[in-house]
Amino acid sequence: DVKVTQSSRYLVKRTGEKVFLECVQDMDHENMFWYRQDPGLGLRLIYFSYDVKMKEKGDIPEGYSVSREKKERFSLILESASTNQTSMYLCASSPHHGGGGEAFFGQGTRLTVV
Amino acid sequence: QKEVEQNSGPLSVPEGAIASLNCTYSDRVSQSFFWYRQYSGKSPELIMSIYSNGDKEDGRFTAQLNKASQYVSLLIRDSQPSDSATYLCAVNRPTGGGGADGLTFGKGTHLIIQP
Repeated sequence: DVKVTQSSRYLVKRTGEKVFLECVQDMDHENMFWYRQDPGLGLRLIYFSYDVKMKEKGDIPEGYSVSREKKERFSLILESASTNQTSMYLCASSPHHGGGGEAFFGQGTRLTVV
Repeated sequence: QKEVEQNSGPLSVPEGAIASLNCTYSDRVSQSFFWYRQYSGKSPELIMSIYSNGDKEDGRFTAQLNKASQYVSLLIRDSQPSDSATYLCAVNRPTGGGGADGLTFGKGTHLIIQP
């Protein structure tokens, strides 16, 4: 089975802190994604990566950056956390280069910024 | 902005009946379509994928795709209380650049199976 693991289930951070969310997948997938999910807004794509050191902006990249130094690991960075970044963050991976393949999700990180 | 539209519900269905969930999408070049189930407080779980027009069956689930009408549906036969969840429709978002496409999600339909 595909396993996507996010480093934390719950996080509470203070406004202005730099926050790192880590994600690891064990199935040698090329593609990895970061989404956030908010009530009434659904799942929105923040950033994705199709190869090591490659990254592309999704729909809402402002205030975020990402890092992919190894194929299995994709990190989301909140440079200076703000209260409007309080959300559920979901990492996903998919096996198909060029897209179109099904994505498998980690368990999610519920981040609260106070 | 490419859109994926779903009725938010709640959709209430008696146990044992067929639940029918619908989804429309705006991007005609989309080629891959997925249904995810999400229980409250949990992450989305892939339950069906469909890539060509017609029906695809897997156990109690049937996905239907009509690309001409830009319409995807999910049928759940013999609905069980454990099927109560939010169902998310997802469509690939082609970039043509050779990289990962990602998925565009609908906001989901909340399904309630009444015992």
